[in-house]
Parts: sequence; C-alpha cells; structure tokens
Amino acid sequence: AQTVTQSQPEMSVQEAETVTLSCTYDTSENNYYLFWYKQPPSRQMILVIRQEAYKQQNATENRFSVNFQKAAKSFSLKISDSQLGDTAMYFCAFMKHVSAGNQFYFGTGTSLTVIP
Amino acid sequence: EPEVTQTPSHQVTQMGQEVILRCVPISNHLYFYWYRQILGQKVEFLVSFYNNEISEKSEIFDDQFSVERPDGSNFTLKIRSTKLEDSAMYFCASREDRGGVHGYTFGSGTRLTVV
Repeated sequence: AQTVTQSQPEMSVQEAETVTLSCTYDTSENNYYLFWYKQPPSRQMILVIRQEAYKQQNATENRFSVNFQKAAKSFSLKISDSQLGDTAMYFCAFMKHVSAGNQFYFGTGTSLTVIP
Repeated sequence: EPEVTQTPSHQVTQMGQEVILRCVPISNHLYFYWYRQILGQKVEFLVSFYNNEISEKSEIFDDQFSVERPDGSNFTLKIRSTKLEDSAMYFCASREDRGGVHGYTFGSGTRLTVV
C-alpha cells in the first residue's frame, strides 16, 4: 500500500520570504510520480508541480521547486518569494507509474498562510 | 484551457434520498475518476472508469455508490440512500489516453451536504 505523510498541519510565512513544506511517502514501487496540489478556499485542486521518480533532477516551476530524495522517500516543496495568493492548503500526492486506475494517494495537507 | 465541469456546485439533500452528481470531462479524455474530501480531511480516491466499466475502486465505494457514462459526455456518480457521513466535497477528474498523468485534470467539485 502507498502512504503519504505531511507532518506539518499548519505553517505560516512572511510575504516575500521562502517556506518549505515537508512530505514523506512509503511505497515498494520503483517508478512513480509525485505531486504537489494547491487547494485555495474555493476548494479547487490546482496542480503546482510534478516529479517523475526516474528523473534525478528536481522539478521547478517558477517560484516553486522540490527537493526529491528518492532513497529517503522525501519530497518537499519550496516556495520562494511567497505571495498572498499562495495562502492555501497544500497536498502532497503519489501515483504509481503504471496503473489502470492511475489513482492519486494524497497526504493530509498543510495549511499555509502568507502573512502580509 | 479545457476544463472538467461539475454540476451542481453545491447540493443539499435529505438523509435517505438518492443524489446524482454530474461531471463533464474534457472531450478527448478517456479515463474518469471520482474522489471525495470530507471537510478537514484528505482527498480520497473512490473509483476509476475506462471503456464503460470500473477499472478500480476503493473500499469507500460500496454498493451505495454507482457510476455511469450514460450519453458519452456526462460521467455521473450516484449515491443511493445518502447518509450524514456522505457529506463531503466530491471531485471528478479525467485524463488523456497517453498513459501516465497526461492531462490529468480535476473539476472544481460538488459540495454535498446531507441533512
């Protein structure tokens, strides 16, 4: 079974500062995908960033980057130059590489507040 | 940008009633999914659907639930005899048929409140 753990229920950061959200996961799979999703108060699920496990290079998307440590099964999200619009719930998620269902396994989320 | 559309955005129903949640996936997508998020909890997988049949389902997806694609465009989730604990946000998602995660897109959700 796949499990995703986010140990930080809540975090806050000053506007323009950098914050790192933690995520660990457990799987016996060798090939898989990892994701960070953002859920603002509207509760829509918005993809922030994605990482393929076979890629050693950490994914980056503008102000968002990840630190993927495959051996440690760790996948943290770094948000640089935090903006007020980054305030949201952030979910870490796992997906097996090949699956007829291709379902996501989500963590319990980290509520991030950006303070003006 | 193509979207997954869910209707209604909010539905209130009485306990014991049947409810149908509707989703219109992106037009060239062939894989469809339903997820559930109870308030304050994580998003949980319910079911995946491909080629007019269920490909995977979770333990949550019991006989109370059913899915179908009645007309080739809508993808519905039916909950028979709703219970208070069915109150949640229900997300539909769809993806392309290129394998992996290509185009995996969530809808904006239907908030179901059972009273």
